[in-house]
Amino acid sequence: DTGVSQDPRHKITKRGQNVTFRCDPISEHNRLYWYRQTLGQGPEFLTYFQNEAQLEKSRLLSDRFSAERPKGSFSTLEIQRTEQGDSAMYLCASSPGYANTEAFFGQGTRLTVV
Amino acid sequence: GQQLNQSPQSMFIQEGEDVSMNCTSSSIFNTWLWYKQDPGEGPVLLIALYKAGELTSNGRLTAQFGITRKDSFLNISASIPSDVGIYFCAGYDTGTASKLTFGTGTRLQVTL
Repeated sequence: DTGVSQDPRHKITKRGQNVTFRCDPISEHNRLYWYRQTLGQGPEFLTYFQNEAQLEKSRLLSDRFSAERPKGSFSTLEIQRTEQGDSAMYLCASSPGYANTEAFFGQGTRLTVV
Repeated sequence: GQQLNQSPQSMFIQEGEDVSMNCTSSSIFNTWLWYKQDPGEGPVLLIALYKAGELTSNGRLTAQFGITRKDSFLNISASIPSDVGIYFCAGYDTGTASKLTFGTGTRLQVTL
């Protein structure tokens, strides 16, 4: 399967702990996106990368959140000092390196903060 | 964050019926995408639309890019049980070509 891959699929953590998620995009795609989705809502944009450069961050991305894409391939999203409000599905997507194109999503990482 | 308005929010239909749903925006969009999401899974791309007035089909699904560029429509013909799920519209508007804005979703449930 050459689709977008996310790991882990599920994560349960205690409040205050740090968590890190990984996303492997479709290999020839230059753009990589992170979205967050809460129950009953559509996905909300967090940030995106063009190759290794992080070009835009949403106001939803507080200073406890950090994303990296060090070699322009896989990406990680870290949440420090997790809060219960961070519980959500975190989705990664990738697309070819030009604007206004199809984006393909991974299966997501379901985070539960207890 | 900004979201597109989808209608209806949810619908129950009988197997074999046709389904219509729409998505509207206050701003002009360059691209419209339609996704289906099953519980606990990521959205799966169904159809992409790139030009105002464009009509595109994918099997039993047909979608249209509204001529005002502020709306899009998705039709499903002869619905079957596996059509159950949440359908999201998404698009790139002219001011934010780098990110997708998603709709609020239409939940489809099919009764046998």
